[in-house]
Amino acid sequence: QKEVEQDPGPLSVPEGAIVSLNCTYSNSAFQYFMWYRQYSRKGPELLMYTYSSGNKEDGRFTAQVDKSSKYISLFIRDSQPSDSATYLCALSGFQKLVFGTGTRLLVSP
Amino acid sequence: DADVTQTPRNRITKTGKRIMLECSQTKGHDRMYWYRQDPGLGLRLIYYSFDVKDINKGEISDGYSVSRQAQAKFSLSLESAIPNQTALYFCATSDAHGQNTEAFFGQGTRLTVV
Repeated sequence: QKEVEQDPGPLSVPEGAIVSLNCTYSNSAFQYFMWYRQYSRKGPELLMYTYSSGNKEDGRFTAQVDKSSKYISLFIRDSQPSDSATYLCALSGFQKLVFGTGTRLLVSP
Repeated sequence: DADVTQTPRNRITKTGKRIMLECSQTKGHDRMYWYRQDPGLGLRLIYYSFDVKDINKGEISDGYSVSRQAQAKFSLSLESAIPNQTALYFCATSDAHGQNTEAFFGQGTRLTVV
C-alpha cells in the first residue's frame, strides 16, 4: 500500500469553477502537510503548508487537513487558466518527506 | 540565479553509457535529494544526503550512485544507462532545522536513454 494516494486526473474544469484536490495517507506519523504546484517543464514549488487539522486560507486557495480520517484537500476558488498545472500533495514527519503522484488540473477559459 | 541549479537541462544518451547529472544550491541547506518523476508514478526518491558525510538510499537506488562533493553540490550518476531510466530528474534541498521540511526543487533534467 502506498503511503500517499492521489488521483492523477486529469481534472478539467471551466474558468471560475471551484476545484477540489485530495490525498489520503496511511501513516499517522505524518505531521506536516504541503501542497506543491508544478507547471509544465518546471520543478515543483511550495504552494501551501499546514501542520494542524482544520483549514488554512491563502487568497483563492484553502488547504484542509483531517488527521482523524488521514485526508487532506486543496480547494481553489474562482479557478483561472493560470491555475492549470499539476498539484502534488506532500507529507513529512520523522525526517521523512513523501509525495503524492500529483493531479493534473486543466482550467479552460 | 536559481537557488537550485541542475545541469544539464536536457540530455540524450545511449544505452550503456555513464552519465552524471549535477546539482548545486545557494540555499545553504544541509539536506539534498535526487528524485525521478515518471507519468503516473509521481516523484520517487533515488538518494538523499543529510550532510556531506551522510548518503542514504531512497526507494529506487538500483542503477544509480551519488556523490556529495560539498554542502552545495550533489551529483547523480547512472553507471550504465538503460532505457527505463528515461525520466525527468529533480534535485531538491531542504533545511535540517525545525519542523519545516519544505523542499526546494531545481528545474529538472530531462534524460532520454536510447
